[in-house]
This record gives sequence, C-alpha cells and structure tokens, in this order.
Amino acid sequence: AQTVTQSQPEMSVQEAETVTLSCTYDTSESDYYLFWYKQPPSRQMILVIRQEAYKQQNATENRFSVNFQKAAKSFSLKISDSQLGDAAMYFCAYLAVNDYKLSFGAGTTVTVRA
Amino acid sequence: EAGVAQSPRYKIIEKRQSVAFWCNPISGHATLYWYQQILGQGPKLLIQFQNNGVVDDSQLPKDRFSAERLKGVDSTLKIQPAKLEDSAVYLCASSLAPGEQYFGPGTRLTVT
Repeated sequence: AQTVTQSQPEMSVQEAETVTLSCTYDTSESDYYLFWYKQPPSRQMILVIRQEAYKQQNATENRFSVNFQKAAKSFSLKISDSQLGDAAMYFCAYLAVNDYKLSFGAGTTVTVRA
Repeated sequence: EAGVAQSPRYKIIEKRQSVAFWCNPISGHATLYWYQQILGQGPKLLIQFQNNGVVDDSQLPKDRFSAERLKGVDSTLKIQPAKLEDSAVYLCASSLAPGEQYFGPGTRLTVT
C-alpha cells in the first residue's frame, strides 16, 4: 500500500506572505499522479493542483505551485500571497495510474493571520 | 456542470440503529467512490464502483456496511448496525478519467 506523509499538522502564515506545505510519499510505481486538495470547514474537498509523475515541469495554478522531486519522493505545495480564504485543511494525495485509488495524507491545517 | 450531490448533509443516530446515505455523481462519470473521513484524518476509501460493478471494497467493513450502485448512476451506502466509531464524514466522489476525482459536500454522521 502506498503511504503519504504530511509532517506538519499545522502551519500559520501572515496574509500576503508565502507558506510551504510538505509531503512525502512511498511507492514502487513509475506512473502516478500527485494532488493537493483543500478542505475548508464546509468539508467540500476541492482540487488545488495536480502533478503527473512523468512530467518534470512543476505544476502551477495561479498562487499555488508545487516542488516535485521524484527521486526524493517529495511533493511540496507553495501558497504565495496568502489570502484569508486560503485558510483550510490541505491534503496531499497519491494515485497510481493502474488502480485509480487515491491515498491521502493526514492533512495540514493552514491558518492565515490578518 | 452540476457537481456531485450527497444527502443528507447531517445525520445523528443512536448506536445500533441503521442509516443510509445517497450520492448522485456527475453525469457521465463511470467511476464512483465512497470515502470515510474520521475527524482529524485524511479520507479513507471504502468502496469503488465502475459503472454498477464493484472494483475495490477491501476496506469496507462488510459485517455492517453495504453499498450499491444500481443502474450505474446513483449510489447508496448503508450502515447497519451503527457503532460509535462510525462517527465520521462520508464523502462521495466520481471520476471520468484517472486523476480527476470530484468530491461531493459529504455527510457528517454522529453516532451517540
């Protein structure tokens, strides 16, 4: 079974500043996807960003970007220009192409200070 | 495009009672998933359907949990009888292709 580890239970950031969330994973597969999901108090799981393992270029979505290090099995999320609406639980997730099954980390709670 | 719909949003029951949750996936999505998310943890897959067939139910506690997806569209997840440790948020998701799971708003279950 694949393991996804998020070592930071909580992170706090000042509004307009940058915060980086860590994620490591364990797999023997060569073809897979990695994701960051945002879950606000409403509980709706929202896809923030997706990375395909065969792509070396790091994915970017507006203020969200990732640092994908395939050899190190590391996948961190950087939130730039943090906004109050970014406050939520963030989950790192892994999906092997051959089984469609998402494995989630334990999550990191992000607090944004005004 | 309408998202994944789930109902009810909240449910409170006593232990040993039964409960059912409903999910309507995004139109055309062949794959449907049920996840259990205990407070403070990441979601855990309970069951995965491809159309109306079960692909993976290895994490489903089959002595008390059951799920079906008749006609390959809507799905129901049932718990009978419920235990205190079943208190969690139950998330439904659907996908058309790998790497594109869309989640519903979830049902928060409290077992007293």
